[in-house]
Amino acid sequence: DGGITQSPKYLFRKEGQNVTLSCEQNLNHDAMYWYRQDPGQGLRLIYYSQIVNDFQKGDIAEGYSVSREKKESFPLTVTSAQKNPTAFYLCASSGSQGNYGYTFGSGTRLTVV
Amino acid sequence: GQNIDQPTEMTATEGAIVQINCTYQTSGFNGLFWYQQHAGEAPTFLSYNVLDGLEEKGRFSSFLSRSKGYSYLLLKELQMKDSASYLCAGGGGGYNKLIFGAGTRLAVHP
Repeated sequence: DGGITQSPKYLFRKEGQNVTLSCEQNLNHDAMYWYRQDPGQGLRLIYYSQIVNDFQKGDIAEGYSVSREKKESFPLTVTSAQKNPTAFYLCASSGSQGNYGYTFGSGTRLTVV
Repeated sequence: GQNIDQPTEMTATEGAIVQINCTYQTSGFNGLFWYQQHAGEAPTFLSYNVLDGLEEKGRFSSFLSRSKGYSYLLLKELQMKDSASYLCAGGGGGYNKLIFGAGTRLAVHP
């Protein structure tokens, strides 16, 4: 079955460390997105990519980096420059025609220890 | 500017009907989406409206008025499992980029 997979489900980071969150999709979707969700709040866009080897900053890109070397993969790195990284991170993908709705991964909960 | 507004919280009784409203302002328009999100889980797709009118899908219906920048999600015969956050999202943030509202937390009581 086609879908979008995020790993790990839970991640703990020490102060000053970089960590990378994985996102893989086999839906043949062109566009992929990373969102951050804080408790009781909506989704805030970190980065998005419309096509391989291209990506754009979202509303809260500072302290994060991404790559899009393959259509299926869109990893997110949370760098030490991100001062408040504890949050729920959601990856999503969407097709290019018709219903533009997103398919979401199951999320990664990142906690700084 | 681009903005999506929806109420923060709502409560309802099991078996009742609840309507969750959403108003939007986006620079373009590719459609209006509703997602359901249970605590700690990913959002799941509920409905998509691109033309004015009502779309019915079982217990859930969604309405859109493009001229008013307004949508609502109607949940009938409420069940306890409907307790969740409901996210309104609008297209128009560029190529396939959705703009999300903060979500409406619905609590269903016996």
